[in-house]
Amino acid sequence: DVQLVQSGAEVKKPGGSLRISCQGSGYSFANYYIAWVRQMPGKGLEWMGIIYPDDSDTKYSPSFQGHVTFSADKSINTAYLQWSSLKASDTAIYFCARRTYYYDTTGGGYSYYFDYWGQGTLVTVSS
Amino acid sequence: SSELTQEPAVSAALGQTVSITCQGDSLRSNFASWYQQKPGQAPVLVMYAKDNRPSGIPDRFSGASSGDTASLTITGAQAEDEADYFCSSRDNTHVFFGGGTRLTVL
Repeated sequence: DVQLVQSGAEVKKPGGSLRISCQGSGYSFANYYIAWVRQMPGKGLEWMGIIYPDDSDTKYSPSFQGHVTFSADKSINTAYLQWSSLKASDTAIYFCARRTYYYDTTGGGYSYYFDYWGQGTLVTVSS
Repeated sequence: SSELTQEPAVSAALGQTVSITCQGDSLRSNFASWYQQKPGQAPVLVMYAKDNRPSGIPDRFSGASSGDTASLTITGAQAEDEADYFCSSRDNTHVFFGGGTRLTVL
């Protein structure tokens, strides 16, 4: 069975650094993009970007570019989300998700979607 | 525009049919996917590529799309369908989520 298992909840102070992880199993981890999605308290889902574990190709949402860093170690089937200087506004649940695609042969082209999700990692940033 | 607009909340009586819509320019050229999220849980994919249901999703869930609007319909809503629903689409490089719709089953 495909599974994405994320690291546990974290409590950090503003200005601190943090790396959270997402370990995949049950599929060829290196060959599927992993997305990171933020959910602030009581709010909706925000796409942060994606990483391709095989070559670490990354795409960041403009909203998160420069504030977070994605990385991956395909030898241990793990993707990472990292901050070097946390802010209180980073307090949220962070989900990783596997991106896959469907090709519509009737002319719709490629459709990308997230078929498996990690359980989420709660990050609390507070002084 | 990269925005996807959903109604904030809808309600349905038990067994009633209810539709949730998602509107945005990106939907004119890209299919939507839909995610169900219950309190304290991770999102679950319920529909992709307009009208494809993942394995394990009941067939009371269906999807459609026309122009700039995608819709998720639940035919015969059940108590366990009460949740937040998010649509998602993309442009050439980025992905977007709608603001979410809270479904209440009365």
